[in-house]
Amino acid sequence: TQLLEQSPQFLSIQEGENLTVYCNSSSVFSSLQWYRQEPGEGPVLLVTVVTGGEVKKLKRLTFQFGDARKDSSLHITAAQPGDTGLYLCAGPSRGHAGGTSYGKLTFGQGTILTVHP
Amino acid sequence: DADVTQTPRNRITKTGKRIMLECSQTKGHDRMYWYRQDPGLGLRLIYYSFDVKDINKGEISDGYSVSRQAQAKFSLSLESAIPNQTALYFCATSDLPALDRGSDTQYFGPGTRLTVL
Repeated sequence: TQLLEQSPQFLSIQEGENLTVYCNSSSVFSSLQWYRQEPGEGPVLLVTVVTGGEVKKLKRLTFQFGDARKDSSLHITAAQPGDTGLYLCAGPSRGHAGGTSYGKLTFGQGTILTVHP
Repeated sequence: DADVTQTPRNRITKTGKRIMLECSQTKGHDRMYWYRQDPGLGLRLIYYSFDVKDINKGEISDGYSVSRQAQAKFSLSLESAIPNQTALYFCATSDLPALDRGSDTQYFGPGTRLTVL
């Protein structure tokens, strides 16, 4: 069974601070995704990383895919209250034969971020 | 208008009752999914459907059933609700994933908060 473990589970910081959220697995993933979920809404995709060592930037958010494609990180610079939410990493699940089952996702347990003004 | 809608948004029911949660999408996607979300457990897949004639169990299908009435509609039923099915339920859709990415964007509805007393 593929597992994605996120850390920390909770993060409470002041506006302007930097933070990093981690997503780790013992399994290799062909790609990893990061979603953000706000209260009362469903998750929304932020980014997909597909190449080992890849770094993608989305304004103040930097996403990195590990060289071995077993882990990913999300770094937020100068956090703002609008960044508050649940951050989820996800990767394609394995099919019955052990290969990637394209379309199905396995999710990490999530990181709840609260940014105080 | 939202691309993925879920009804009802909130439901309180009693143990033993039959409950149906409905999902509709206007994105034209063939693939639809039902997840449940519990605190600290991320999103877990209940059932998924890759087209109208295709229904597959996810990791936690016991106690649930689904019906794919049309490309745009995918409903989840709890035949006899029990308290540990109290959770937030999400429907999602996706297009055919690009093989070189391993996974494609999933688009989530706003969720149904179900409470079983």
